[in-house]
Formats: sequence, C-alpha cells, structure tokens
Amino acid sequence: RKEVEQDPGPFNVPEGATVAFNCTYSNSASQSFFWYRQDCRKEPKLLMSVYSSGNEDGRFTAQLNRASQYISLLIRDSKLSDSATYLCVVTSNFGNEKLTFGTGTRLTIIP
Amino acid sequence: DTGVSQNPRHKITKRGQNVTFRCDPISEHNRLYWYRQTLGQGPEFLTYFQNEAQLEKSRLLSDRFSAERPKGSFSTLEIQRTEQGDSAMYLCASSSATVGEQFFGPGTRLTVL
Repeated sequence: RKEVEQDPGPFNVPEGATVAFNCTYSNSASQSFFWYRQDCRKEPKLLMSVYSSGNEDGRFTAQLNRASQYISLLIRDSKLSDSATYLCVVTSNFGNEKLTFGTGTRLTIIP
Repeated sequence: DTGVSQNPRHKITKRGQNVTFRCDPISEHNRLYWYRQTLGQGPEFLTYFQNEAQLEKSRLLSDRFSAERPKGSFSTLEIQRTEQGDSAMYLCASSSATVGEQFFGPGTRLTVL
C-alpha cells in the first residue's frame, strides 16, 4: 500500500465550479501535511499547509482529519489558471526533512 | 533569479554511461534535498543534506548513486552505469532550518537510451 494515496483523476470541471480532492495517508505518526501544485513540466510549489483546525486561503480550503488519516482540498469558483496537478504531501517529523508525495490528482478547468 | 537552479536541464545518455547533475540552492538555505519523479508519479525522496552532512538516504539510492555537498553550498548527484530505469526527472529542493518550506528547482530530465 502506498504511504500517500490520491485519486489520479483526471478531473475535468467547468470554470466556476467547486472541486474537491481527497487524500489518505497510512503512517499514523505523520506530523505535517501539505498540498503542493505542479504545472505541466514544472517543479512542485507549495500551495498550502494543512492543519487539524482547517485553513483557508482565498478560494482554497484544506482540512485534516487525523483520526481517519484523511486530507482534503476544496477549490471554489475554479479558474482556468487552477488547471494543474495537485500533490498531497506528508512528513513524519516537524522538521519536514523528507516529503512523501502522493501520485497527484490532475485537474483541468474547462472554459 | 534567486531560486534553486539545476544544471543541466536535460540530459540524454546511453545505457552504461555516468552522468552528474548539479544543484545550486537558495543561498541562505542550509538544507538541500534530492527527489526523483517518474511520469504519472509524485516525487520520491532520495537524499538530504544539512550543510555538508548527508543525513538521510532512501533505499531508492542504490550503490550506483552518490550525492555530495562538499562545501555546504551546491550539491552534485552522480549516477554511474546508467540504466533505462533511471530515466526520470531529478528534482532538487532547499530549505532553511527555521522556515522549513522546501523550494524546488526546475529539475534535470534524464533520458537513458
């Protein structure tokens, strides 16, 4: 079983729609959680950290459920520029030395 | 540009040849990481340096792979006797101990023929 599992998609959604991604992780000792964004043939970039209390950044909301070992990302009012691969990432320590990535979920926003 | 840089950006080599990649981290970052990404997968951790010390190596890093960071600044990743299975994007990232966020370079795409 992979340490971080995501639905690879692709998700094709119309502009303006709300889209949700889910991710599960197997290591209950995982300490830190993130969503990264990766554009085609580009490097991954941090989108947002994920906390148990949930956090919001503009149109993006991330949530962590430690009991279920489940992480989510919600994108509201999707834009064409949101088209990318979204990578769920966990670390086993607060120092974040080793990022463990899921396979990524590919999102395409359709005009 | 003060981000992480990697050279070369692309490398095509024949099976059995040795290749070396270079990573220049963000100047004030003391941590440096190497990851490998194959098509359709997320990046996989290879190794990590704090200053010049190599603190962790993945079991993915076989004996044919070696990484160095001799002066705690730039790093090199060498692959000896390349195999077709080594074809991938090799990503370098850096971070500071205090902030923790890893910033990735553009990667070196290796193709082994």
